[in-house]
Amino acid sequence: GNSVTQMEGPVTLSEEAFLTINCTYTATGYPSLFWYVQYPGEGLQLLLKATKADDKGSNKGFEATYRKETTSFHLEKGSVQVSDSAVYFCALRKGGNQFYFGTGTSLTVIP
Amino acid sequence: SAVISQKPSRDICQRGTSLTIQCQVDSQVTMMFWYRQQPGQSLTLIATANQGSEATYESGFVIDKFPISRPNLTFSTLTVSNMSPEDSSIYLCSVEDRTDYGYTFGSGTRLTVV
Repeated sequence: GNSVTQMEGPVTLSEEAFLTINCTYTATGYPSLFWYVQYPGEGLQLLLKATKADDKGSNKGFEATYRKETTSFHLEKGSVQVSDSAVYFCALRKGGNQFYFGTGTSLTVIP
Repeated sequence: SAVISQKPSRDICQRGTSLTIQCQVDSQVTMMFWYRQQPGQSLTLIATANQGSEATYESGFVIDKFPISRPNLTFSTLTVSNMSPEDSSIYLCSVEDRTDYGYTFGSGTRLTVV
């Protein structure tokens, strides 16, 4: 079946550090892949997406590349800020309207 | 992207009571989706609400516990009935965003049952 596995947190980084949050997926065919972010007290916001292999999604300094050969969609940012502290969810969509979310990774950035 | 107004943003309820959560979208949408996010866990789809028909529930969720209304193309409600502490969660509505192929989520309702 379809599923998403993302690295467990919590992750704590110093400001300006490099961030990687790993995400791998299981799905047949060619799913679309997403990263959502949930800031404290708020709902989920779409951060970036990729709809086919080798696509790179990017937004707000975050990037993720759809790697079909490794079934991965790792989230990266070169220099994190305190304002990036949030929970990050990897998700896939495989036809229809059903999303499959990972369990979320909590990121705390300290000054 | 669509804008969703969800309310209430949070509530503390007594066990055995019911709470109705409202979602208003600023544009017409065919389907609206209701999710539950239990503490420390990911999102689970509760049901899909189409205007003019019965909602479609996912495995483990039933209409008697989570009745849904969808009176028009911009509005939906989810009721959490006969609540117990195990219902304490964040409940979110969402719609498909055809401009970016993703989903737009409401800000969520943080429910605590005591």
